[in-house]
Amino acid sequence: AQSVAQPEDQVNVAEGNPLTVKCTYSVSGNPYLFWYVQYPNRGLQFLLKYITGDNLVKGSYGFEAEFNKSQTSFHLKKPSALVSDSALYFCAVRANNNAGNMLTFGGGTRLMVKP
Amino acid sequence: KAGVTQTPRYLIKTRGQQVTLSCSPISGHRSVSWYQQTPGQGLQFLFEYFSETQRNKGNFPGRFSGRQFSNSRSEMNVSTLELGDSALYLCASSLQQGGFSTNEKLFFGSGTQLSVL
Repeated sequence: AQSVAQPEDQVNVAEGNPLTVKCTYSVSGNPYLFWYVQYPNRGLQFLLKYITGDNLVKGSYGFEAEFNKSQTSFHLKKPSALVSDSALYFCAVRANNNAGNMLTFGGGTRLMVKP
Repeated sequence: KAGVTQTPRYLIKTRGQQVTLSCSPISGHRSVSWYQQTPGQGLQFLFEYFSETQRNKGNFPGRFSGRQFSNSRSEMNVSTLELGDSALYLCASSLQQGGFSTNEKLFFGSGTQLSVL
């Protein structure tokens, strides 16, 4: 069975500084990896995905993620954080094409960007 | 284009009752998935429907069921409610069934917050 770990419950960063939210995964076969963000009292919003191809994936709102197969990681990054980036971030994995939209999510990381 | 609409937004029930939650996907989207979100268990997949057929099911008891109508709208039903069913239930839609499109993206609704007393 697949699993996702987000080792940090919370990440604090100053506005303008780079940010990294960590994610590691475990899955049989090739992984399909996703990042979603959740703002208070809202559903999740898609940020980016890795299906195949380049290891560096660019997504919405200036976010990017680096797929590292040897380290089974898919860390989310942004060069310069904004206060408005403060939210709950979820990493997710899908095992294969037969899994449909059955994603396994990590526990989430709360990002706090301070002015 | 309207987003994913879930009704009701909040719901309070007592143990033993049953509840039905509704989800209207984005126009043109044919896949609807349901997730349960709790502070303790996080986000857990319930089931996915595509073209009125259940395509995938998560590890939940049979008290949790769903269906999809010909207009892609979906309902989720929980019978014999337990205290542990208190959660935010999220519906997500996508254009195609997951894994069959390069445009892999789920669009989530704001959820139905269910409280079981």
